Amino acid sequence: EVVLTQSPATLSLSPGESATLSCRASQNINFNLAWYQQKPGQAPRLLIYDAVNRATGIPATFSGTRSGTNFTLAISGLEPEDFALYYCQHRGSWPPKYTFGRGTNLEIK
Amino acid sequence: QVQLVESGGGVVQPGKSLRLSCEASGFIFNNFGMHWVRQTPGRGLEWLAVIWHDGSTQFYADSVTDRFIISRDNSKNLLFLEMNNLRGDDTAVYYCARDPGRYFFDHWGQGTLVTVSS
Repeated sequence: EVVLTQSPATLSLSPGESATLSCRASQNINFNLAWYQQKPGQAPRLLIYDAVNRATGIPATFSGTRSGTNFTLAISGLEPEDFALYYCQHRGSWPPKYTFGRGTNLEIK
Repeated sequence: QVQLVESGGGVVQPGKSLRLSCEASGFIFNNFGMHWVRQTPGRGLEWLAVIWHDGSTQFYADSVTDRFIISRDNSKNLLFLEMNNLRGDDTAVYYCARDPGRYFFDHWGQGTLVTVSS
């Protein structure tokens, strides 16, 4: 089973700064990784799929990259509404088992 | 627009059963697989189960495979999760989510809270 390790657990930044969130997979998962944003009291929202593709309606300030088993979600020019929880997610091949990272809390400094 | 609305949550005693529902609208329900995912402060997001678009196949997380049953009624655009022999660690917000035929979840409901307590 693939384990996804997110870091840092908490990231404290100011509006206008840029954020870099990490998700490391325990084995090669190619580009099969998604990122979600979750605001308090809301459901998760799909941001990025296939490691690098923005979902419908997601602004270009969000970007995803992959280097081997290391995945990064970058957010440029942080807006107040970007401060939230962020999760990465993957699905094992067969039988399908879906796993999430423990999340990164992006908070206002 | 795609809408998923869960219902059926509440307070239930340990060992009892509960059935959650998820009403779908804004898309052709029987074209999509559907999932249940739960969330707790301690364990984060935990995938529970998936059902194929036609209801023919289901898969479960190891933690619930003997107690939870996922099903659907495509004639009524409804997804269900039957939860049996509930335990305290089943206390969570339960979400239904749509599967776009890939490995991720492209739309989520707002969630329904299940509290298992005597």
